[in-house]
Amino acid sequence: QVQLVESGGGVVQPGRSLRLSCAASGFTFSSYGMHWVRQAPGKGLEWVAVIWYDGSNKYYADSVKGRFTISRDNSKNTLYLQMNSLRAEDTAVYYCARDLGRFEYGDSRFDYWGQGTLVTVSS
Amino acid sequence: QSVLTQPPSVSGAPGQRVTISCTGSSSNIGAGYDVHWYQQLPGTAPKHLIYGNTNRPSGVPDRFSGSKSGTSASLAITGLQAEDEADYYCQSYDSSLSVVVFGGGTKLTVL
Repeated sequence: QVQLVESGGGVVQPGRSLRLSCAASGFTFSSYGMHWVRQAPGKGLEWVAVIWYDGSNKYYADSVKGRFTISRDNSKNTLYLQMNSLRAEDTAVYYCARDLGRFEYGDSRFDYWGQGTLVTVSS
Repeated sequence: QSVLTQPPSVSGAPGQRVTISCTGSSSNIGAGYDVHWYQQLPGTAPKHLIYGNTNRPSGVPDRFSGSKSGTSASLAITGLQAEDEADYYCQSYDSSLSVVVFGGGTKLTVL
């Protein structure tokens, strides 16, 4: 069965960096676009970034552009999110999600989500 | 402020019907981009509920239905059950921002 398992969250000071991972199994990882979506405590869902199935294209929310980098290693079935210059407002549960559609056509939809990993940015 | 607007909360008694609206604009829902819905039970990850405006993934009860008209979409839940108490989110794509957009979420309370 499809599984997405995030890891790498924790408590980090403002301005520092953190790398999240999302291990995928149960499907052909290299055939799907993948996203990161976050949810601040008690708040709604916020889209963060997308990466094409082959890693050739990436798009980001304005709130993280220039600070976060999405990447993937299809040989390891793993998605990453490198987060630099972290701010208090980046505190959230970060989910990875599989895209059943195609971002470039505007029809992204998320059929599987991981359980999430909590990132807390605090001094 | 979310690009897609949802009511913060709705409520209904068991067995009743409730609807949750999702209002967008000419650069997202009104531009023809599909609307998808997710259910998030307390303390869990979101679950795919409706895709392509009206379609249910396998395993989703037919008590859940979606519709879309103009710049808005709606999720309807009939025969409310206690286990439907959750947060519901709509999602689409915005062509002027070139991003995936979510509604702010609606908390459903079953009275």
